[in-house]
Amino acid sequence: SQQGEEDPQALSIQEGENATMNCSYKTSINNLQWYRQNSGRGLVHLILIRSNEREKHSGRLRVTLDTSKKSSSLLITASRAADTASYFCATSLGEIIFGSGTRLSIRP
Amino acid sequence: DAGVTQSPTHLIKTRGQQVTLRCSPKSGHDTVSWYQQALGQGPQFIFQYYEEEERQRGNFPDRFSGHQFPNYSSELNVNALLLGDSALYLCASSLGGGDDEQFFGPGTRLTVL
Repeated sequence: SQQGEEDPQALSIQEGENATMNCSYKTSINNLQWYRQNSGRGLVHLILIRSNEREKHSGRLRVTLDTSKKSSSLLITASRAADTASYFCATSLGEIIFGSGTRLSIRP
Repeated sequence: DAGVTQSPTHLIKTRGQQVTLRCSPKSGHDTVSWYQQALGQGPQFIFQYYEEEERQRGNFPDRFSGHQFPNYSSELNVNALLLGDSALYLCASSLGGGDDEQFFGPGTRLTVL
């Protein structure tokens, strides 16, 4: 079973718009990570946020973590065609457990 | 600086056969984790190797086994293949046996007929 559940399952937006994806999980965690995957290939690490952090930025990415609600969000600002991919949250408490992902499509 | 490499890229086997997949971690990394990803799903954790020992294991049967060599490379073995074992197998490397950032290889696509 997968701990993280992303919402929405699929998202289609216009290039230049912002994209927001959410992740909910069930148990305590050490950290939460977001990964990107293009066309069923290897995953690329985007950002890691620790359980004692509330917000983190990296370039056009902004991640928030609310441990009281057991949820996280990933915001991609000023989206580009190259952002089209599947995005996964992964929680860790020892082993890393991935959610089922959000498929993001950027329309030109 | 070489990233994570996996071999082979694709593999076709029949039910009941055995398969071995290989992974070389990113230079400087000492920890290797294996994942199974079915089509349209997120990766499922199989196990993690650190210091040549299995440190963590996910909910996979004993048909799935592995090994880590002194040079930190790793193998995933699957015995008595089932149709349901068809998936993308991903290897990820990291440092120190922990649960921080992982670097993934391109994966091995296994098809069981």
